[in-house]
Amino acid sequence: EIVLTQSPGTLSLSAGERATLSCRASQRISTNYVAWYQQKPGQPPRVLIYDASSRATGIPDRFSGRGSGTDFTLTISRLEPEDFAVYYCQQYHASPFTFGPGTKVDLK
Amino acid sequence: QVQLQESGPGLVKPSETVSLTCTVSGGSIDSRSFYWGWIRQSPGKGLEWIGYIYYTGGTYDNPSLKSRVTMSIDTSKNQFSLKLNSVTAADAAVYFCARAVTSYRSGWSPYYLDVWGKGTTVSVSS
Repeated sequence: EIVLTQSPGTLSLSAGERATLSCRASQRISTNYVAWYQQKPGQPPRVLIYDASSRATGIPDRFSGRGSGTDFTLTISRLEPEDFAVYYCQQYHASPFTFGPGTKVDLK
Repeated sequence: QVQLQESGPGLVKPSETVSLTCTVSGGSIDSRSFYWGWIRQSPGKGLEWIGYIYYTGGTYDNPSLKSRVTMSIDTSKNQFSLKLNSVTAADAAVYFCARAVTSYRSGWSPYYLDVWGKGTTVSVSS
């Protein structure tokens, strides 16, 4: 099973700042089959990024993903008020298709 | 657009079986382009992947649930279902159904989850 570790656990930032979230895999993900999801309280997750770096339909370009192998990153270039949420990475390289524990981006 | 809606009992007793159904509207479940899946989230916790089912009935399962899971699909009703037996307090969670994309590019393996239901809460108590 591929274990995903996300860091930091919580990121306290102000609107307008840059957020950099990390997702590290316990095994190499040669396909780059990593997705990032955003979840707000009381809502289901929403896909932001798939295949490590492709933005999903309707996602603003302030969200970007990069990475390969075991290290993947989600960057939010300038935080908007609606971006304060929890972010999860998921690998779909190999079953079981595991999620990371999440990074909470909250208001400083 | 496609919408998914979970339904289930809400409350189940320990050691019993919980049965959940996801009804898909706005699109056909009988499609080779998608898998249909279940993910759960315990209170205040992260996401746990449970499994996927394909329109053919083929499945991907999470071994951590130790064969307590049965998934089925009913293309005539545009629904798919999850049964989890021998439930304990650890199974109390919000259960989401969701759609995973697939294509020939992945060898028809599941990709990311692009559409989610709102979730249904399952509580476990005697």
